[in-house]
Amino acid sequence: SQELEQSPQSLIVQEGKNLTINCTSSKTLYGLYWYKQKYGEGLIFLMMLQKGGEEKSHEKITAKLDEKKQQSSLHITASQPSHAGIYLCGADMNRDDKIIFGKGTRLHILP
Amino acid sequence: DAGVIQSPRHEVTEMGQEVTLRCKPISGHNSLFWYRQTMMRGLELLIYFNNNVPIDDSGMPEDRFSAKMPNASFSTLKIQPSEPRDSAVYFCASIMGQGAPGNQPQHFGDGTRLSIL
Repeated sequence: SQELEQSPQSLIVQEGKNLTINCTSSKTLYGLYWYKQKYGEGLIFLMMLQKGGEEKSHEKITAKLDEKKQQSSLHITASQPSHAGIYLCGADMNRDDKIIFGKGTRLHILP
Repeated sequence: DAGVIQSPRHEVTEMGQEVTLRCKPISGHNSLFWYRQTMMRGLELLIYFNNNVPIDDSGMPEDRFSAKMPNASFSTLKIQPSEPRDSAVYFCASIMGQGAPGNQPQHFGDGTRLSIL
């Protein structure tokens, strides 16, 4: 069974619109990581969240971790073509260096 | 700063052949991870090392897969004999882990796209 569920699996959004991607676990997360991947390339680290209720922003991307530390959301405001790609959430579930990844959300931005 | 370096970027070979993938972690990082990414299964952890010692290889699919880390700056993932179902993108990542203050994000290489015919 998948320990980390991402939704939606894919998303098509008109340029300029806002969007949200979710990442849910049945276990408490000790660290939550958001990465972005472009086709044929490696994963680029976006943000890391550790504390319940924590929120971080970078440019037009905001990530939040809920108080129970079991769900995170990634919100993009006024989407641009450069935001297109695969977004993956990863989680530290055992307080070690292992990260379990969700299957990713494929984001397409329509001009 | 040099990131995680993987080679080759692409590999196409016939089934039954031995395949060796290489990874150079970021200098100073002491944990190294090998992942496999497919459409069906997403990104799966195969094995990880800390201070050159394999810590968890529970994700290694079969005995055909083996990984080594002879020193802090080099690791290999070997598949022998290779099969078509091994076709995937293989990523290497490194981290300053196990004892470093706070959780640290893993830094990924660009991956090796492997095709077994």
